[in-house]
Amino acid sequence: GENVEQHPSTLSVQEGDSAVIKCTYSDSASNYFPWYKQELGKRPQLIIDIRSNVGEKKDQRIAVTLNKTAKHFSLHITETQPEDSAVYFCAAIPNTGFQKLVFGTGTRLLVSP
Amino acid sequence: DAGVTQSPTHLIKTRGQHVTLRCSPISGHKSVSWYQQVLGQGPQFIFQYYEKEERGRGNFPDRFSARQFPNYSSELNVNALLLGDSALYLCASSMTGGLDTEAFFGQGTRLTVV
Repeated sequence: GENVEQHPSTLSVQEGDSAVIKCTYSDSASNYFPWYKQELGKRPQLIIDIRSNVGEKKDQRIAVTLNKTAKHFSLHITETQPEDSAVYFCAAIPNTGFQKLVFGTGTRLLVSP
Repeated sequence: DAGVTQSPTHLIKTRGQHVTLRCSPISGHKSVSWYQQVLGQGPQFIFQYYEKEERGRGNFPDRFSARQFPNYSSELNVNALLLGDSALYLCASSMTGGLDTEAFFGQGTRLTVV
């Protein structure tokens, strides 16, 4: 079945630095890759997504890149702020015919002031 | 993601009991999916429903069941509760539930089995 690997598991940066989280997936037929941010005790919040027909998407300080050949996708956060501190999950939807999000194991990002 | 509502927010049950969790999707959304999130892990897919029909099921035992109503709200039922069922249960709402459409999560129901 589909497997999504995510690295690193924890990431500590200073405010203003950039943060990069990387994921790989196994089902080459996957075409949709969302990223969720989950603060402690709260719901996963969709922050950005990318579809397989594009290689990069940007939304203010957040960007996502996709390499379909290598089955890699990454989240880039620039000019990090303390409020960016949270757990970030990547996900992929395998080609099963229904919307089954397969999540990575999560990255705990800590931004220190 | 505002608009997906789940009830109750917290629940404590005893082993062997039964529980029903409820979800109302975003207005206009016809697909509801259920996920289980154990502490420290990513959400795991349980079910997807679209237009009141089960579209997909994850690797969970038959003690887990669900349904979707004509107004697109949904219930997740778990029978014969085990300690290992303690988790955050999340409902995700999607317009069509297609393979490349956004899914928005509710705040979840935290179930504790004692």
